[in-house]
Amino acid sequence: ETGVTQTPRHLVMGMTNKKSLKCEQHLGHNAMYWYKQSAKKPLELMFVYSLEERVENNSVPSRFSPECPNSSHLFLHLHTLQPEDSALYLCASSQDKAGGRGYTFGSGTRLTVV
Amino acid sequence: AQSVTQLDSQVPVFEEAPVELRCNYSSSVSVYLFWYVQYPNQGLQLLLKYLSGSTLVKGINGFEAEFNKSQTSFHLRKPSVHISDTAEYFCAVRAMDSNYQLIWGAGTKLIIKP
Repeated sequence: ETGVTQTPRHLVMGMTNKKSLKCEQHLGHNAMYWYKQSAKKPLELMFVYSLEERVENNSVPSRFSPECPNSSHLFLHLHTLQPEDSALYLCASSQDKAGGRGYTFGSGTRLTVV
Repeated sequence: AQSVTQLDSQVPVFEEAPVELRCNYSSSVSVYLFWYVQYPNQGLQLLLKYLSGSTLVKGINGFEAEFNKSQTSFHLRKPSVHISDTAEYFCAVRAMDSNYQLIWGAGTKLIIKP
Protein backbone atom coordinates (compact mmCIF):
# COMPACT_ATOMS: atom_id res chain seq x y z
CA GLU A 1 0.00 0.00 0.00
CA THR A 2 1.26 3.44 -0.87
CA GLY A 3 -0.58 5.29 1.89
CA VAL A 4 -3.24 6.52 -0.52
CA THR A 5 -6.09 4.07 -1.11
CA GLN A 6 -8.48 4.32 -4.03
CA THR A 7 -11.68 2.37 -4.54
CA PRO A 8 -12.88 0.78 -6.65
CA ARG A 9 -9.86 -0.40 -8.66
CA HIS A 10 -12.01 -0.98 -11.74
CA LEU A 11 -15.36 0.50 -12.75
CA VAL A 12 -17.51 -0.02 -15.82
CA MET A 13 -20.44 2.31 -16.14
CA GLY A 14 -23.03 3.27 -18.71
CA MET A 15 -23.41 6.83 -19.90
CA THR A 16 -26.56 7.33 -17.85
CA ASN A 17 -25.18 5.92 -14.60
CA LYS A 18 -24.08 7.80 -11.50
CA LYS A 19 -21.07 6.51 -9.61
CA SER A 20 -18.44 7.80 -7.21
CA LEU A 21 -14.72 7.24 -6.87
CA LYS A 22 -13.24 7.29 -3.39
CA CYS A 23 -9.77 8.26 -2.19
CA GLU A 24 -8.47 7.99 1.36
CA GLN A 25 -5.15 8.98 2.92
CA HIS A 26 -3.93 8.77 6.49
CA LEU A 27 -0.55 10.35 5.92
CA GLY A 28 -1.47 13.62 7.59
CA HIS A 29 -1.29 15.40 4.25
CA ASN A 30 -3.21 18.62 3.79
CA ALA A 31 -3.58 18.65 0.01
CA MET A 32 -5.33 16.15 -2.25
CA TYR A 33 -5.59 15.94 -6.02
CA TRP A 34 -7.51 14.20 -8.79
CA TYR A 35 -5.65 13.42 -11.98
CA LYS A 36 -6.82 11.84 -15.23
CA GLN A 37 -4.39 9.55 -17.06
CA SER A 38 -5.19 8.68 -20.67
CA ALA A 39 -3.05 6.55 -22.94
CA LYS A 40 -0.16 8.41 -24.57
CA LYS A 41 -1.11 11.74 -23.00
CA PRO A 42 0.45 13.63 -20.11
CA LEU A 43 -1.25 13.47 -16.77
CA GLU A 44 -4.10 15.98 -16.55
CA LEU A 45 -4.70 17.73 -13.26
CA MET A 46 -8.43 17.91 -12.59
CA PHE A 47 -8.94 19.23 -9.07
CA VAL A 48 -6.85 20.35 -6.10
CA TYR A 49 -8.04 20.56 -2.52
CA SER A 50 -6.00 22.22 0.19
CA LEU A 51 -7.27 21.93 3.76
CA GLU A 52 -10.63 20.79 2.35
CA GLU A 53 -11.01 23.87 0.19
CA ARG A 54 -11.02 23.51 -3.58
CA VAL A 55 -8.20 25.65 -4.86
CA GLU A 56 -8.13 24.61 -8.49
CA ASN A 57 -10.53 23.35 -11.09
CA ASN A 58 -8.83 22.89 -14.42
CA SER A 59 -11.81 23.51 -16.69
CA VAL A 60 -13.19 20.09 -15.96
CA PRO A 61 -16.68 19.33 -17.34
CA SER A 62 -19.47 19.55 -14.80
CA ARG A 63 -20.21 15.83 -15.20
CA PHE A 64 -17.25 15.42 -12.82
CA SER A 65 -18.00 16.71 -9.33
CA PRO A 66 -15.42 16.52 -6.53
CA GLU A 67 -16.12 16.43 -2.82
CA CYS A 68 -13.68 16.72 0.08
CA PRO A 69 -15.53 16.19 3.38
CA ASN A 70 -12.32 16.20 5.44
CA SER A 71 -8.57 16.24 4.92
CA SER A 72 -8.38 12.44 4.69
CA HIS A 73 -11.08 11.76 2.11
CA LEU A 74 -11.70 12.84 -1.44
CA PHE A 75 -14.48 11.77 -3.76
CA LEU A 76 -15.13 12.18 -7.45
CA HIS A 77 -18.80 11.94 -8.35
CA LEU A 78 -19.51 10.91 -11.92
CA HIS A 79 -22.72 11.32 -13.92
CA THR A 80 -23.70 11.17 -17.60
CA LEU A 81 -20.14 10.44 -18.67
CA GLN A 82 -18.97 10.05 -22.26
CA PRO A 83 -16.86 7.23 -23.72
CA GLU A 84 -13.89 9.62 -23.99
CA ASP A 85 -13.93 9.87 -20.19
CA SER A 86 -12.62 6.31 -20.03
CA ALA A 87 -9.20 6.54 -18.37
CA LEU A 88 -7.24 5.83 -15.22
CA TYR A 89 -8.21 8.27 -12.47
CA LEU A 90 -5.47 8.86 -9.96
CA CYS A 91 -5.73 10.42 -6.55
CA ALA A 92 -2.68 11.96 -4.92
CA SER A 93 -1.85 13.77 -1.73
CA SER A 94 0.98 16.00 -0.52
CA GLN A 95 1.98 17.59 2.75
CA ASP A 96 0.85 20.97 1.52
CA LYS A 97 -0.37 22.48 -1.70
CA ALA A 98 3.20 23.42 -2.62
CA GLY A 99 3.97 19.74 -3.09
CA GLY A 100 7.69 20.38 -2.81
CA ARG A 101 8.38 17.01 -1.21
CA GLY A 102 6.48 15.22 -3.94
CA TYR A 103 3.12 13.60 -4.18
CA THR A 104 1.93 10.20 -2.93
CA PHE A 105 -0.31 8.55 -5.47
CA GLY A 106 -2.96 5.89 -5.13
CA SER A 107 -3.13 2.92 -7.48
CA GLY A 108 -5.94 4.49 -9.46
CA THR A 109 -9.41 3.56 -10.62
CA ARG A 110 -9.60 2.21 -14.17
CA LEU A 111 -12.86 3.66 -15.52
CA THR A 112 -14.56 2.36 -18.64
CA VAL A 113 -17.62 4.19 -19.96
CA VAL A 114 -19.79 2.10 -22.27
CA ALA B 1 4.27 28.69 -18.82
CA GLN B 2 6.24 25.49 -18.62
CA SER B 3 6.37 22.43 -20.84
CA VAL B 4 8.06 19.05 -20.58
CA THR B 5 9.25 16.85 -23.43
CA GLN B 6 10.16 13.23 -23.01
CA LEU B 7 11.73 12.48 -26.35
CA ASP B 8 11.29 8.72 -26.33
CA SER B 9 7.93 7.04 -25.87
CA GLN B 10 9.66 3.66 -25.46
CA VAL B 11 13.20 2.62 -24.62
CA PRO B 12 14.14 -1.05 -25.02
CA VAL B 13 17.32 -2.14 -23.29
CA PHE B 14 18.95 -5.42 -22.38
CA GLU B 15 19.08 -6.51 -18.76
CA GLU B 16 22.22 -5.30 -16.93
CA ALA B 17 22.85 -2.65 -19.58
CA PRO B 18 22.90 1.08 -18.73
CA VAL B 19 19.95 3.28 -19.61
CA GLU B 20 19.24 6.97 -20.00
CA LEU B 21 15.73 8.37 -20.22
CA ARG B 22 15.64 11.89 -21.58
CA CYS B 23 13.68 14.83 -20.28
CA ASN B 24 13.82 18.40 -21.54
CA TYR B 25 11.79 21.28 -20.26
CA SER B 26 11.08 24.88 -21.10
CA SER B 27 10.33 27.58 -18.58
CA SER B 28 10.78 31.31 -18.22
CA VAL B 29 11.28 30.93 -14.45
CA SER B 30 13.32 28.62 -12.25
CA VAL B 31 11.81 25.19 -11.73
CA TYR B 32 11.77 22.18 -9.49
CA LEU B 33 12.19 18.86 -11.30
CA PHE B 34 10.85 15.39 -10.56
CA TRP B 35 10.95 11.86 -11.89
CA TYR B 36 8.14 9.45 -11.08
CA VAL B 37 7.82 5.75 -11.92
CA GLN B 38 4.62 3.85 -12.61
CA TYR B 39 4.78 0.06 -12.40
CA PRO B 40 2.08 -1.92 -14.22
CA ASN B 41 -1.36 -1.53 -12.66
CA GLN B 42 -0.11 0.86 -10.01
CA GLY B 43 -0.07 4.56 -9.29
CA LEU B 44 2.97 6.80 -9.60
CA GLN B 45 5.85 6.72 -7.14
CA LEU B 46 8.44 9.46 -6.62
CA LEU B 47 11.88 8.34 -7.83
CA LEU B 48 13.85 11.49 -7.19
CA LYS B 49 13.61 15.27 -7.24
CA TYR B 50 15.77 18.32 -7.73
CA LEU B 51 14.89 21.32 -5.58
CA SER B 52 18.26 23.03 -5.16
CA GLY B 53 21.93 22.33 -4.44
CA SER B 54 23.92 19.61 -6.17
CA THR B 55 22.84 19.09 -9.75
CA LEU B 56 23.36 15.33 -9.47
CA VAL B 57 20.44 13.79 -7.64
CA LYS B 58 20.29 10.22 -6.44
CA GLY B 59 16.99 8.45 -6.03
CA ILE B 60 15.56 5.08 -5.13
CA ASN B 61 16.33 1.80 -6.89
CA GLY B 62 19.76 2.95 -8.10
CA PHE B 63 18.49 5.74 -10.34
CA GLU B 64 20.08 9.17 -10.60
CA ALA B 65 19.43 12.30 -12.63
CA GLU B 66 21.44 15.37 -13.49
CA PHE B 67 20.00 18.83 -13.77
CA ASN B 68 21.58 20.76 -16.62
CA LYS B 69 20.32 24.32 -16.58
CA SER B 70 22.05 25.43 -19.78
CA GLN B 71 20.53 22.55 -21.72
CA THR B 72 17.26 22.64 -19.77
CA SER B 73 17.47 18.91 -19.25
CA PHE B 74 16.95 16.46 -16.41
CA HIS B 75 17.89 13.07 -17.81
CA LEU B 76 17.40 9.92 -15.73
CA ARG B 77 20.12 7.26 -15.68
CA LYS B 78 20.82 3.85 -14.23
CA PRO B 79 24.11 2.02 -14.78
CA SER B 80 22.61 -1.47 -14.85
CA VAL B 81 18.90 -2.23 -15.26
CA HIS B 82 16.93 -5.22 -14.03
CA ILE B 83 13.72 -6.85 -15.16
CA SER B 84 12.03 -5.24 -12.18
CA ASP B 85 12.71 -1.79 -13.66
CA THR B 86 10.11 -2.44 -16.36
CA ALA B 87 7.74 0.48 -15.91
CA GLU B 88 6.72 3.83 -17.30
CA TYR B 89 8.76 6.83 -16.20
CA PHE B 90 7.40 10.36 -16.00
CA CYS B 91 9.31 13.61 -15.82
CA ALA B 92 7.58 16.61 -14.24
CA VAL B 93 8.43 20.22 -13.49
CA ARG B 94 6.97 22.87 -11.25
CA ALA B 95 7.72 26.55 -11.44
CA MET B 96 9.22 27.87 -8.23
CA ASP B 97 6.55 30.55 -8.14
CA SER B 98 3.72 28.00 -8.41
CA ASN B 99 2.09 26.36 -5.44
CA TYR B 100 1.17 23.05 -6.93
CA GLN B 101 0.82 22.96 -10.70
CA LEU B 102 3.06 20.11 -11.83
CA ILE B 103 3.58 19.96 -15.59
CA TRP B 104 4.04 16.39 -16.78
CA GLY B 105 5.78 14.75 -19.68
CA ALA B 106 3.95 12.09 -21.69
CA GLY B 107 6.05 9.29 -20.18
CA THR B 108 8.68 6.83 -21.39
CA LYS B 109 8.12 3.10 -21.22
CA LEU B 110 11.26 1.24 -20.22
CA ILE B 111 11.27 -2.24 -21.72
CA ILE B 112 13.86 -4.63 -20.35
CA LYS B 113 14.91 -7.42 -22.68
CA PRO B 114 16.27 -10.59 -21.06
